[in-house]
Amino acid sequence: DIQMTQSPSSLSASVGDRVTITCQASQDIRNYLNWYQQKPGKAPKLLIYDASNLETGVPSRFSGSGSGTDFSFTISSLQPEDIATYYCQEYDYLPTFGQGTRLEIK
Amino acid sequence: QVQLQESGPGLVKATQTLSLTCTVSRGSINSGDYYWSWIRQPPGKGLVWIGYIYNSGSTYYNPSLKSRVTISVDTSKNQFSLKLSSMTAADTAVYYCARVRIDAGRGVGSNFDYWGPGTLVTVSS
Repeated sequence: DIQMTQSPSSLSASVGDRVTITCQASQDIRNYLNWYQQKPGKAPKLLIYDASNLETGVPSRFSGSGSGTDFSFTISSLQPEDIATYYCQEYDYLPTFGQGTRLEIK
Repeated sequence: QVQLQESGPGLVKATQTLSLTCTVSRGSINSGDYYWSWIRQPPGKGLVWIGYIYNSGSTYYNPSLKSRVTISVDTSKNQFSLKLSSMTAADTAVYYCARVRIDAGRGVGSNFDYWGPGTLVTVSS
């Protein structure tokens, strides 16, 4: 089974900050990696697919990069509405989610 | 755009079988481009994929839950369903249904692009 290690588990940042979350796979998953945003009490929302592709309608301040085992997700300028938990998800074969990163405003 | 809605009991007794249904609207389960999936999230914890189904009835399950899970589809009603047997307190969670894009080159599910709002299922002793 592929294990996804997401870090940090929580993060506090100020409005306007650049924020980066990483996800490491236990084996090579090429670019089979997606990122989701989940706000409290809501279903997750797809932001980035195939490691670096922005889902339609998602603001351009969100981006993703990486391939193989190491991936990153970046918010270029943190906005108050970005407060949420973010998850990576791999799909080399059957899908597995990372444990999540809780993002708070400082 | 497609909409999904979970339905079923909010309270299940331990040892019983959970039955949930997801109704798809503004889109067809018969579309060949998608799998249809269940995911759960225990209170305060992360997301766990349960399994997904194709419109033909082909299924894929999380190995850790496979012995207790059955996912089925009713294309005439545009619905798919989850049954989870031998429920315990550890199965208390919000259960989501979602649509899954298919990676056409490999035939596996790729990303979850539409989700239902989720339904909380509590297991009582």
